[in-house]
Amino acid sequence: GQQVQQSPASLVLQEGENAELQCNFSTSLNSMQWFYQRPGGSLVSLFYNPSGTKHSGRLTSTTVIKERRSSLHISSSQTTDSGTYLCAWSNYNVLYFGSGTKLTVEP
Amino acid sequence: EAAVTQSPRNKVAVTGGKVTLSCNQTNNHNNMYWYRQDTGHGLRLIHYSYGAGSTEKGDIPDGYKASRPSQENFSLILELATPSQTSVYFCASGDRGGPHAEQFFGPGTRLTVL
Repeated sequence: GQQVQQSPASLVLQEGENAELQCNFSTSLNSMQWFYQRPGGSLVSLFYNPSGTKHSGRLTSTTVIKERRSSLHISSSQTTDSGTYLCAWSNYNVLYFGSGTKLTVEP
Repeated sequence: EAAVTQSPRNKVAVTGGKVTLSCNQTNNHNNMYWYRQDTGHGLRLIHYSYGAGSTEKGDIPDGYKASRPSQENFSLILELATPSQTSVYFCASGDRGGPHAEQFFGPGTRLTVL
């Protein structure tokens, strides 16, 4: 079956530090999405990233399809970045999710 | 950005009872989805639909039915609710725009089956 592995499972940072979140896929990668979720909250789409690098403020997503991997870089982290980051692999309109990285940014 | 709403937001049901979760989207997306999210499992796909009148089974369809009566509405039905179906349920919609289109999620429904 489809396998999406995220690392690390959890991460604690001091405000101002950078974070690198990884997502690896066991099957051929067609497309993928990065989401942010607050505790008890909905999923907010951060990037829809078929390939290459995309930027949004302090966030950068880089996807290398041939290597079946994607990364999310958060620069100059803030306490409001705390939450869970999920990646998902897309195959013909169906998303398969990783278990997420729980990020805690301390002041 | 797609506007996806869900109702109810919270639901307590009894074992053996019938539960219907509703989802509405206002951006005319063809595709709609139901997921459940559980600690340790992430989000898993239950049912999805490519348009009015169609429903497809996802990865964990057992114990659930789905109904897509219109482009805007997609329901998830638990005919005989069980405690194992206690979870947070998310609805999503997606633009057809190619086979790997971006998906947009609703706020979620927290279901507790006693």
